[in-house]
Amino acid sequence: SQTIHQWPATLVQPVGSPLSLECTVEGTSNPNLYWYRQAAGRGLQLLFYSVGIGQISSEVPQNLSASRPQDRQFILSSKKLLLSDSGFYLCAWSTRDGRSYGYTFGSGTRLTVV
Amino acid sequence: AQSVTQLGSHVSVSEGALVLLRCNYSSSVPPYLFWYVQYPNQGLQLLLKYTSAATLVKGINGFEAEFKKSETSFHLTKPSAHMSDAAEYFCAVTRPGAGSYQLTFGKGTKLSVIP
Repeated sequence: SQTIHQWPATLVQPVGSPLSLECTVEGTSNPNLYWYRQAAGRGLQLLFYSVGIGQISSEVPQNLSASRPQDRQFILSSKKLLLSDSGFYLCAWSTRDGRSYGYTFGSGTRLTVV
Repeated sequence: AQSVTQLGSHVSVSEGALVLLRCNYSSSVPPYLFWYVQYPNQGLQLLLKYTSAATLVKGINGFEAEFKKSETSFHLTKPSAHMSDAAEYFCAVTRPGAGSYQLTFGKGTKLSVIP
């Protein structure tokens, strides 16, 4: 069966520090991968999605970046965190036809920038 | 373009009462619609989905939703609320993207269950 792992679960980082969040998927090949951010009162915001290794699409301009170095690995990064980067970050995967099956989400990372 | 609107950011019901969470969608193509549930500090879990088959869709934990094209709605219901249903619920619609289909989420409805 397919599983998705996301870590760390919680993170407290000072303003200006770097960030690296990792997400891996098991039990499937060629998944579509997604990073969402959930900020209080703002719902779920799609940050990045990827349809293949090295292919990243950005939905929202910001100081975050994403990379997909391997088929089932998706990394969210920042060189210098801002207070506004605080939130709950969720990784998700879908089959190529995510239309039919929806997404499977990881357990999330709670990021607090102080 | 696709979008969803969830009416009511907070809904409170008594234990044993009917749960009704509202979702209206806008879609330029035949929609696929989803309901997800999120418990505190957890990821989202799929409750149910509509993918153009039966208009009444049954999901996990006793929830169901009915697709009504004429009303552009996909409301989530459960006949009798349990304390364990207290969570945040998200409605979502797909939209085509480059090489993928992406989900557009509503802003969520937080359900409280009063004992």
